[in-house]
Order: sequence, then C-alpha cells, then structure tokens
Amino acid sequence: SQELEQSPQSLIVQEGKNLTINCTSSKTLYGLYWYKQKYGEGLIFLMMLQKGGEEKSHEKITAKLDEKKQQSSLHITASQPSHAGIYLCGADNNDMRFGAGTRLTVKP
Amino acid sequence: DTAVSQTPKYLVTQMGNDKSIKCEQNLGHDTMYWYKQDSKKFLKIMFSYNNKELIINETVPNRFSPKSPDKAHLNLHINSLELGDSAVYFCASSKLKRLAGGWETQYFGPGTRLLVL
Repeated sequence: SQELEQSPQSLIVQEGKNLTINCTSSKTLYGLYWYKQKYGEGLIFLMMLQKGGEEKSHEKITAKLDEKKQQSSLHITASQPSHAGIYLCGADNNDMRFGAGTRLTVKP
Repeated sequence: DTAVSQTPKYLVTQMGNDKSIKCEQNLGHDTMYWYKQDSKKFLKIMFSYNNKELIINETVPNRFSPKSPDKAHLNLHINSLELGDSAVYFCASSKLKRLAGGWETQYFGPGTRLLVL
C-alpha cells in the first residue's frame, strides 16, 4: 500500500518568514491533495496536483509535484498567523491515504 | 497489516435503505473518528469516540449513528439514506483524544465510497 511521509512534523516560524512542508510517497502519485485544518475545524481542501512538474498557487501558498511524481512540497511565502494550522497531504491511488500532518505555528 | 480498515470499500444503494460501514483499527489507539468527504474534497468530522465514549458529535442528521462495540471498532450506521449522503466516508484513529483546538496524529482508513441512487 502507498505510504505518505510528511516533514517536518511541526514547524514554528516567525511571521513574515517563508516555509516549506514536504510530502513523500512510497509510490508514484496519481493524485496528490493538500488540506489544511484550522484548529477545531474540519479539513479544508487547498489544491490537487496530478501531473509531474505541476505547480499550483492559492494566495501565498504554492504546491508542487515533482517530475517523478513521488514528492510534493507546499511552500508558504511571507507567513501570517492565519496560516497556522495542520497541513495534511493525501493521495488517491484507488485508496485514499493521508500523511501524518504538519503542525504549523506562526508567531506574531 | 492494514492499520485502519474499512468495509465495504464501495457501497451502492437505493434511497431509503439502511446501511452500515465498518471500521477497525489494530493500532491500539484510544480514539476513533468518522469523516465525510464531500464533492469539493472537504473532510468534515462527524463523530469521535474515545474508549467507547462519544466525545464529539458534530451537527449531523440523527439518521447517522456511530456504534463502538470496543475501542478497536467504530461502525457507522445510516438510516433512511438520502441522495445527499453520497460521499466518501473515512474512518480514522489516534492514540490520544482529539484535543480542543489541537490535533493528534490521525491514521486514516482507505475510505468507503457511498453512492445513493
């Protein structure tokens, strides 16, 4: 079965700093999802990547899927306290799998 | 060695029927959850059980009832299925309680794709 490993597990950054979260798969990714959970809420869909080399952006969040389609990175530019939460990657290769999540704290 | 398993994987049924989805975890975790993923990929938590005790019950219709015979199992029973119930349902488990305002690492099952006709 496919395994997803996220790194880092937790991240504390100063407001305004850039950061990157990685998601590595044990198998080729055919559909990679990024979600965010605000504290106490459900998971919010951010974006989906399917093609090798694909890159998508939403506001200050950019996600990329590498050419080999086994790793995705989520990059946040000029982080803000509103970016704080749990970021979760998920892969859908018939069975949906999720990473363990990255807890992001942004200090004002 | 599937950590969190769900059955069935696919479920197609008629409106008005009653159905159950089963979930089992072999991780020795204390807390289990049910999520519903809608067409927009939004995962909404429905229920959470900690040591057989319901600790979260979000605003879901009372047609949905979780049943936990023991801490390794959390089944979801749905009465009088409606078209809007069509979705993917995910079971998850975590070692500790889902803390208020926090998140303990959760391990997800493969999902059950429910289609109500």
